[in-house]
Amino acid sequence: EVQLVESGGGLVQPGRSLRLSCATSGFTFGAYAMSWVRQAPGKGLEWVGLIRSNTYGGTTEYAASVKDRFTISRDDSRSVAYLQVNSLKIEDTAVYYCTREPLRSGGYDYWGQGTLVTVSS
Amino acid sequence: NFMLTQPHSVSESPGKAVTISCTRSSGNIASNYVHWYQQRPGSAPTTVIHEDNQRPSGVPDRFSGSIDSSSNSASLTISGLKTEDEADYYCQTYDDSSHVFGTGTEVTVL
Repeated sequence: EVQLVESGGGLVQPGRSLRLSCATSGFTFGAYAMSWVRQAPGKGLEWVGLIRSNTYGGTTEYAASVKDRFTISRDDSRSVAYLQVNSLKIEDTAVYYCTREPLRSGGYDYWGQGTLVTVSS
Repeated sequence: NFMLTQPHSVSESPGKAVTISCTRSSGNIASNYVHWYQQRPGSAPTTVIHEDNQRPSGVPDRFSGSIDSSSNSASLTISGLKTEDEADYYCQTYDDSSHVFGTGTEVTVL
């Protein structure tokens, strides 16, 4: 059974940092690109960024709203994806979801349950 | 970048059908796969249609997806509506370097 489990969220002050983790199981993690998607309270879904599989260079892409502040990485040996979030702003408050992207589909077939990040002083 | 516009809400009676549109503001809707996600209140999204018109296993055949190049839009049709279909629905597609979600549609089963 494919499972994606996010962790690392919490209450953090503006300007601080967090590292979110996405622990996976039930599939060959290294074969897949992984994306992070967030949802602010009462709002729609917003793509944050992705990391391609190492077969495709392990390269990353980011939404303009988070570029230069957020970093996605992966540890294929542990089947975990990470989202490092720096210089947090009030508007980064959201549930952060980890997703799996089948090869070349540009979409997601599995989602985690999400982890809530609240940015407040 | 481009935007994907969906109706804010749709409603219909049980047993009827609804169609949700997803219009791409620029670029060809048919040039990249479109995916659809369902999000029930308080839950994470799940995939109901992937790659334009493919249903994941476990998704009932009441859900179908299509692409219309003439209107540069994608559509999700839910037939035989059930109360369990009440949820928010999002379309999503991508270009070379980014993924884009639609604005979301709330489906109410009257």
